[in-house]
Amino acid sequence: KAGVTQTPRYLIKTRGQQVTLSCSPISGHRSVSWYQQTPGQGLQFLFEYFSETQRNKGNFPGRFSGRQFSNSRSEMNVSTLELGDSALYLCASSLIDISYEQYFGPGTRLTVT
Amino acid sequence: DQQVKQNSPSLSVQEGRISILNCDYTNSMFDYFLWYKKYPAEGPTFLISISSIKDKNEDGRFTVFLNKSAKHLSLHIVPSQPGDSAVYFCAASAGAAGNKLTFGGGTRVLVKP
Repeated sequence: KAGVTQTPRYLIKTRGQQVTLSCSPISGHRSVSWYQQTPGQGLQFLFEYFSETQRNKGNFPGRFSGRQFSNSRSEMNVSTLELGDSALYLCASSLIDISYEQYFGPGTRLTVT
Repeated sequence: DQQVKQNSPSLSVQEGRISILNCDYTNSMFDYFLWYKKYPAEGPTFLISISSIKDKNEDGRFTVFLNKSAKHLSLHIVPSQPGDSAVYFCAASAGAAGNKLTFGGGTRVLVKP
């Protein structure tokens, strides 16, 4: 069974631009969560989607948004990029709504210049 | 407000010996704890987990111990192998929060041959 895939793997954007990252969960998994990893803040929860509904949201500004499609694929969007948004963005999927064990993709490395 | 802390940023151990990684938490609502392993340029890989109703869980070379009264958990790797060299993250979840994981800052383990 294929793992979690994320596209693109690397991205360079300029301050003020917006970016959309994509995540395809493991086949059959219905929950998708997004995390941001930075050297200073570590791994931080962004939000979680289950059956196309956002169930949880972390402490990030409204510039960070996401959605989930009927096939469970998910996208996250960051508008008006700031230098501090440079990070590794990780997507994780799990089978059901409270399964705890999440399976992570390789991440998208976003660099904002 | 760091609810999950890994106070040792790095650990060096000889091949064949035991590696002990520690993690402390403050949120009493956490009821499930996980350990993830991460190699550079890859997403975290699930290793082992433990529910708050248990105090020990074993899986091969990996054992996790939970001390609820001290709000402390540890991961033991016996025997340590060079392939275990990676960054290890402790994570916690509260049942009511669904699939939201709160991560510690990570411990970099180096296993010397």
